[in-house]
Amino acid sequence: SQKIEQNSEALNIQEGKTATLTCNYTNYSPAYLQWYRQDPGRGPVFLLLIRENEKEKRKERLKVTFDTTLKQSLFHITASQPADSATYLCALLPGYSSASKIIFGSGTRLSIRP
Amino acid sequence: DAGVTQSPTHLIKTRGQQVTLRCSPISGHKSVSWYQQVLGQGPQFIFQYYEKEERGRGNFPDRFSARQFPNYSSELNVNALLLGDSALYLCASSSMGDLPSNYGYTFGSGTRLTVV
Repeated sequence: SQKIEQNSEALNIQEGKTATLTCNYTNYSPAYLQWYRQDPGRGPVFLLLIRENEKEKRKERLKVTFDTTLKQSLFHITASQPADSATYLCALLPGYSSASKIIFGSGTRLSIRP
Repeated sequence: DAGVTQSPTHLIKTRGQQVTLRCSPISGHKSVSWYQQVLGQGPQFIFQYYEKEERGRGNFPDRFSARQFPNYSSELNVNALLLGDSALYLCASSSMGDLPSNYGYTFGSGTRLTVV
């Protein structure tokens, strides 16, 4: 069955360092991969989308890579700040008529200590 | 401009009762999707509506139903509540129906449902 795995353990990073979060998937061929940020008690906030034919996408301090051979996406936050502390979710979509097929990972909790 | 709004924010119900959750999408968005998020897990797709028609249904029992109104707002109904229905229920809206836009899905803050 389709499966998405994100770092199950919380990630604790020193402020200023680069945080790297992992999203691995099996039995799936996504056309799109999205990353969201979620704060406690709030809905997810969309950060980045990367397509299967894109290797890398950047937005300010964020960088996402997508390796369809390894079936893996890496999410990097450079120059991390305590305000970056949150849970980060990856989501996979197959393409056309995607909304009903979207699959979320269980998220990785990131803590940035001053 | 208001984002996706959901009501109520919190709700406590007893097993066997029925509940209705409401969602208003961003102005101009015609697609609304509903998700259930159990603590410690990612959101799980329940329904999508686009232009008032059901476009997709997740793996949820028939106790779950939804509809979309002419103004594109939506309701999620859950009958015969079980303890396992306790979760954060999220609504997301999108300007596009089938293909994800470059802006992804915009979620509301959710309704926290507790079944006792």
